[in-house]
Amino acid sequence: DQQVKQNSPSLSVQEGRISILNCDYTNSMFDYFLWYKKYPAEGPTFLISISSIKDKNEDGRFTVFLNKSAKHLSLHIVPSQPGDSAVYFCAGDGGGNTGKLIFGQGTTLQVKP
Amino acid sequence: GAGVSQSPSNKVTEKGKDVELRCDPISGHTALYWYRQSLGQGLEFLIYFQGNSAPDKSGLPSDRFSAERTGGSVSTLTIQRTQQEDSAVYLCASSSKNRGRFFGVETQYFGPGTRLLVL
Repeated sequence: DQQVKQNSPSLSVQEGRISILNCDYTNSMFDYFLWYKKYPAEGPTFLISISSIKDKNEDGRFTVFLNKSAKHLSLHIVPSQPGDSAVYFCAGDGGGNTGKLIFGQGTTLQVKP
Repeated sequence: GAGVSQSPSNKVTEKGKDVELRCDPISGHTALYWYRQSLGQGLEFLIYFQGNSAPDKSGLPSDRFSAERTGGSVSTLTIQRTQQEDSAVYLCASSSKNRGRFFGVETQYFGPGTRLLVL
């Protein structure tokens, strides 16, 4: 039972262009969705989140869109930079009192100079 | 301003042996999580500690896995009688807030992980 899915294992874009990473979920009870970024040999670092009652959250070059009817969210990075090359994980926060995160499989983004 | 630290960074063991993985959370963080990432998979929740409350062990895959948190700080994840399918990166995270719906999402800060290989 995979509650959070990232169906694209990898994505390659040119520097300066837009990167769009997609994520689908099945659990309607998630309170929040989060994106984490991971470089090799490092732990994931928090990037941006969105509440389930919102449809958009923007932070600098990063924007997350949430479509609840489609149970789909996406992360847009504009403009993409080579330093953005990393693995991006989408996660749902199950709410309640634990805050445990349910992660997708990750998408490896490569931004070419 | 030290972050979450984990040791060892790498561990190679033989099938059937026990291993202990250590996590030092950020000072003052009351919540501590263990996750693991198997090859080609996302991060899988294992266990959660919050203060003095009983831990949420719902993610532990078998009774070979156990974890404790001493003094509300350092945590140890123990895997007994390791199997090859236990090979993964084990990640620890900590956060500062006591989870509640009115506080919003809390940021979990991850350590670099322990890469475990069971031969």
